[in-house]
Amino acid sequence: VQLVESGGGLVQPGGSLRLSCAASRFTFSTYWMTWVRQAPGKGLEWVANIKPDGSEKYYLDSVKGRFTISRDNAKNSLYLQMNSLRAEDTAIYYCGRDLGDYWGQGTLVTVSS
Amino acid sequence: SFELTQPPSVSVSPGQTARITCSGDVLSKKYAYWYRQKSGQAPVLVIYEDTKRPSGIPERFSGSSSGTGVTLTISGAQVEDEADYYCYSSDSSGNHWMFGGGTQLTVL
Repeated sequence: VQLVESGGGLVQPGGSLRLSCAASRFTFSTYWMTWVRQAPGKGLEWVANIKPDGSEKYYLDSVKGRFTISRDNAKNSLYLQMNSLRAEDTAIYYCGRDLGDYWGQGTLVTVSS
Repeated sequence: SFELTQPPSVSVSPGQTARITCSGDVLSKKYAYWYRQKSGQAPVLVIYEDTKRPSGIPERFSGSSSGTGVTLTISGAQVEDEADYYCYSSDSSGNHWMFGGGTQLTVL
């Protein structure tokens, strides 16, 4: 199993970023997928998850309405569209398979002016 | 909302048994998962569904559940077990998830 995140970077408050997670070596279309994050020096925080067919999505209250999780099963890819970013969204973002039996290495998002 | 409460730190000597607790009302109804995270690395699943150990995780790692609490036990802790440990579970609907605050395990 391999999960590789990309798309992180430095963005100004109020800006947007789209994170991607490329999955391989497993049948991506049959698994729930999850995004979690970790602010510098802080603990892990669940952000969102999505059903295998994309029909159900759930979000952390503080990101609801600003973040959108999606997937493209044909491309074995998971996404996190992040809008209206705030300083408190600064974190390493990890994608994970299902209940976290595998995680990527993370991508750093920094929200700062 | 719901909460999962862990002690901030646990310290043991090498070879001793380390026990890390996680408490929360939801744990009487939902499974807990435990992750180990070493500095600068991604988390690693060490226990799932309260008591099950993934392949590749040493037998010294075990999990137990009682009422509204779960416990991760490391029998004969080794220096390489030093890490932050997080419990993880869902709310009663099963749709929203949360980590405990994490416990820093020191083995020295």
